[in-house]
Amino acid sequence: EAQVTQNPRYLITVTGKKLTVTCSQNMNHEYMSWYRQDPGLGLRQIYYSMNVEVTDKGDVPEGYKVSRKEKRNFPLILESPSPNQTSLYFCASSSRTGFLYNEQFFGPGTRLTVL
Amino acid sequence: AQSVTQLGSHVSVSEGALVLLRCNYSSSVPPYLFWYVQYPNQGLQLLLKYTTGATLVKGINGFEAEFKKSETSFHLTKPSAHMSDAAEYFCAVSEDAGGTSYGKLTFGQGTILTVHP
Repeated sequence: EAQVTQNPRYLITVTGKKLTVTCSQNMNHEYMSWYRQDPGLGLRQIYYSMNVEVTDKGDVPEGYKVSRKEKRNFPLILESPSPNQTSLYFCASSSRTGFLYNEQFFGPGTRLTVL
Repeated sequence: AQSVTQLGSHVSVSEGALVLLRCNYSSSVPPYLFWYVQYPNQGLQLLLKYTTGATLVKGINGFEAEFKKSETSFHLTKPSAHMSDAAEYFCAVSEDAGGTSYGKLTFGQGTILTVHP
């Protein structure tokens, strides 16, 4: 089954404790992206990657890091989480061919709470 | 720069009534437009999209949307609401702005649709 998986689905942590949210896709997609969803703001892009070892900032990259060492994986790293990073996070992927108009496939989301 | 505005953060309809969710966008170039739906505790799922060609686009679950360039709108409609349509709906736009916005979807704020029996 074609899918994007994220782990963990729920996470409660404390300020300053480094964490990683994993994202994996099995569709051989080149393009992957992270979004955060906040009430009244919709989804905003954090980082994206056009291919292995190619990443760039989205609209709200502060406080986040990413890496793309393998095509299927795109982890999101919070080196020192703060309460304003409490949010619902989505990973998405799509084929690079026609990426502007192709469907992006979304993971189930990770609900992060930073105390 | 592109932006998306969804009018109404909450819309409530009766089962069987018309569903109309409004979306207006701004874009410096011809946009690609999408509607995604998010059911409770799930990720986003594509409902429909407009790329080129016919301006009336049909999607899954009986939804459709019409691209109106003169009004910069892409409103989502369904003739008869069903209880299972209750969800949050997001309008989104992507554009080819000289290669600076690779694959980025700019989302509206979302509209929560409630369907009453």
